[in-house]
Amino acid sequence: GAGVSQSPSNKVTEKGKDVELRCDPISGHTALYWYRQSLGQGLEFLIYFQGNSAPDKSGLPSDRFSAERTGGSVSTLTIQRTQQEDSAVYLCASSNRDRVNYGYTFGSGTRLTVV
Amino acid sequence: DAKTTQPTSMDCAEGRAANLPCNHSTISGNEYVYWYRQIHSQGPQYIIHGLKNNETNEMASLIITEDRKSSTLILPHATLRDTAVYYCIVRSHSGTYKYIFGTGTRLKVLA
Repeated sequence: GAGVSQSPSNKVTEKGKDVELRCDPISGHTALYWYRQSLGQGLEFLIYFQGNSAPDKSGLPSDRFSAERTGGSVSTLTIQRTQQEDSAVYLCASSNRDRVNYGYTFGSGTRLTVV
Repeated sequence: DAKTTQPTSMDCAEGRAANLPCNHSTISGNEYVYWYRQIHSQGPQYIIHGLKNNETNEMASLIITEDRKSSTLILPHATLRDTAVYYCIVRSHSGTYKYIFGTGTRLKVLA
């Protein structure tokens, strides 16, 4: 597609439930990133995928968070046993690592609310 | 990656130039300066980046001091739609390519 697509745009879930957030990057972009943004805060790095290399998971806040990227394209961020502090906007971005001059392209995010 | 310091907020009159400063005194030789902005309820948008030379594109100009310890993003004719949070980030083009976002400058363009 023309841009980075994220779904769902909004998700309300009960505390303790698992959620899956999806990201469709720009076709041909080899790098994919997940960030989250709590209300009124800056962006917090979560995880980075680049091609077939091992992902950089250094930003995942706990072992309840995991992500995968299938076939070098679509990525899913999974949060298990959600907590209220997980409420945030989860942003996905992609870039063509071979063309770093163009920066990232971000999606519009998934707003997760844990009640 | 080096840390950046930006003013928390700024106002600018519509039609005037908006000059957003950024301090990155610990920047290393291989780190680039990137600017992004985030309009309310949207994902961040890439604006411009540079290494040591001044850069200009259709959105903005980037002025980097000779010692590279600070930079200024210039929006030449600010409009109401430029109201956003502007992030200055330094990052090398090696390693994991991840950005470390600070809290940015909240620019409000006034009619």
